[in-house]
Amino acid sequence: LAKTTQPISMDSYEGQEVNITCSHNNIATNDYITWYQQFPSQGPRFIIQGYKTKVTNEVASLFIPADRKSSTLSLPRVSLSDTAVYYCLVGDTHVDSNYQLIWGAGTKLIIKP
Amino acid sequence: DAGVTQSPTHLIKTRGQQVTLRCSPKSGHDTVSWYQQALGQGPQFIFQYYEEEERQRGNFPDRFSGHQFPNYSSELNVNALLLGDSALYLCASSALTSGTGEQYFGPGTRLTVT
Repeated sequence: LAKTTQPISMDSYEGQEVNITCSHNNIATNDYITWYQQFPSQGPRFIIQGYKTKVTNEVASLFIPADRKSSTLSLPRVSLSDTAVYYCLVGDTHVDSNYQLIWGAGTKLIIKP
Repeated sequence: DAGVTQSPTHLIKTRGQQVTLRCSPKSGHDTVSWYQQALGQGPQFIFQYYEEEERQRGNFPDRFSGHQFPNYSSELNVNALLLGDSALYLCASSALTSGTGEQYFGPGTRLTVT
């Protein structure tokens, strides 16, 4: 089960692009990289998932280099409402796989006005 | 379409008591996972249910047990409560055959053991 390392906290300002990098040196061939966002007193919310190169959706982009030992979540033009904890998870999430995603403490992102 | 719902929202119990938490998955989902989240920590996987059977289990003692019903809803039972069981308990549902593993979380049940 691959473990991840990400910064404990980050600060940024409204309107800026924020990049949160996650390290997963022992990622396995079948592992996907998934990011969740969590606001206080709420359950986590799925943001994005990827396997390699770049994935983009309406809220974020995920950049994964060729060796897949790290990944970067990019949040364009953040607002105060993006203040939350962001979790990077690595695991094989597909059918018939014995997956059990390990959640670290996440990155606490604080957006300032 | 209602998302994942959990009940109760908050609960206060005494050491040694037993507690049952409930979860209704998002419509169309057949898999329910339970997590324990201590303050300032990430969620810790307790177990996962699919087709009314425990499919996977995390590193939690047998005091933690669960059940899944034919309508896919689920219960988490904790016996002989300890002070350390105080946490936010999260339920997440997913569609096992979706191929993405994307989980939808409920708002959680805040359990306080005194």
